[in-house]
Amino acid sequence: SAVISQKPSRDICQRGTSLTIQCQVDSQVTMMFWYRQQPGQSLTLIATANQGSEATYESGFVIDKFPISRPNLTFSTLTVSNMSPEDSSIYLCSAQRGNTEAFFGQGTRLTVV
Amino acid sequence: QKEVEQNSGPLSVPEGAIASLNCTYSDRGSQSFFWYRQYSGKSPELIMSIYSNGDKEDGRFTAQLNKASQYVSLLIRDSQPSDSATYLCAGGVQGAQKLVFGQGTRLTINP
Repeated sequence: SAVISQKPSRDICQRGTSLTIQCQVDSQVTMMFWYRQQPGQSLTLIATANQGSEATYESGFVIDKFPISRPNLTFSTLTVSNMSPEDSSIYLCSAQRGNTEAFFGQGTRLTVV
Repeated sequence: QKEVEQNSGPLSVPEGAIASLNCTYSDRGSQSFFWYRQYSGKSPELIMSIYSNGDKEDGRFTAQLNKASQYVSLLIRDSQPSDSATYLCAGGVQGAQKLVFGQGTRLTINP
């Protein structure tokens, strides 16, 4: 398993601003991902954070809105840019070693007002 | 579009009974499947992983995989009120190291 620390755990932000969420894994992992979870809904994959290269985004998500960094094998950030109330959600970081089970950070509960 | 389907429930089971959760998937190439438990306000935690046809048991939990019929199930024996949560089924995407999640089944264990 892997221990994943994600911060902030929650934030309330003004519309039009940006928030950067950090994800730190306690050991090197092959894959890191960012998900969004609306209340009462399942997880929607935003993107795969690739170490040393641009993230791979899923349909409906773009780099300008959700820029992602992954400078090394244990750390990644997700920025939610130019926020609107529709971006209010829980954002989750996950890590995997190869094609195996994913482990999750504790999530960031974002409210945009 | 690779999909994983679950009955969203809610599923209500009396304490001590067996809870049965089911999941179907569309990607015939999927080789790995996972069950996660998510308590309200918390992040998902891994319960079981299964990679081969048949049953895999871990304590009160049994995962079952049938690749021919493309379904995965999770049985919880001797259900406890603490098992009340949303259970998420996930499948690995062939050729890509990522998971596709079902919509989750909300399970309630009644004392």
